[in-house]
Amino acid sequence: SQQGEEDPQALSIQEGENATMNCSYKTSINNLQWYRQNSGRGLVHLILIRSNEREKHSGRLRVTLDTSKKSSSLLITASRAADTASYFCATVGTSVGGTSYGKLTFGQGTILTVHP
Amino acid sequence: KAGVTQTPRYLIKTRGQQVTLSCSPISGHRSVSWYQQTPGQGLQFLFEYFSETQRNKGNFPGRFSGRQFSNSRSEMNVSTLELGDSALYLCASRRAGGANVLTFGAGSRLTVL
Repeated sequence: SQQGEEDPQALSIQEGENATMNCSYKTSINNLQWYRQNSGRGLVHLILIRSNEREKHSGRLRVTLDTSKKSSSLLITASRAADTASYFCATVGTSVGGTSYGKLTFGQGTILTVHP
Repeated sequence: KAGVTQTPRYLIKTRGQQVTLSCSPISGHRSVSWYQQTPGQGLQFLFEYFSETQRNKGNFPGRFSGRQFSNSRSEMNVSTLELGDSALYLCASRRAGGANVLTFGAGSRLTVL
């Protein structure tokens, strides 16, 4: 079963607008990551935020994390048509003895369409 | 450097057959994990291998198995295929000691008829 929910499930915007996607999760985490997937292809890592961080920036990406609400958001500023893709949040849980190695738990994803 | 390579990219099988998928990780990455992606269930963790040992396993039936070789290449096998096994199978590698950031291959698209 999936760790959490993402909303919206689909988002359609015009080039130049900002896109915000939200992710909620259920259990304690070590870190939260965002990945992007172009249609039917592999996932590409975008950004990672650790559980003790509240906000992180990378280029046009801004991620926030609220561990008290078990939620995160991804903001893409000044969207481009090339940003059209599915975006997934993924959590790395905490476990006795350390992190859960390569096991990421993914949300259902947000399909972003940016119209030129 | 070369990315994660998965073969074959596409394959069609019939129910009851078995399939083997291959994954070559990024050079120097010793951890390989596998995920299944379907429209209904999304991305689900299958298993992870590190230094030829399975370290973690998802909630899949025993028909799903895998292994890792001494050169870190990995294979996964699905026996007695069912229609519901139709999916995109994604392999990912990561370097040891990293923050669980995965580098994914392009995937193997399996269709079971």
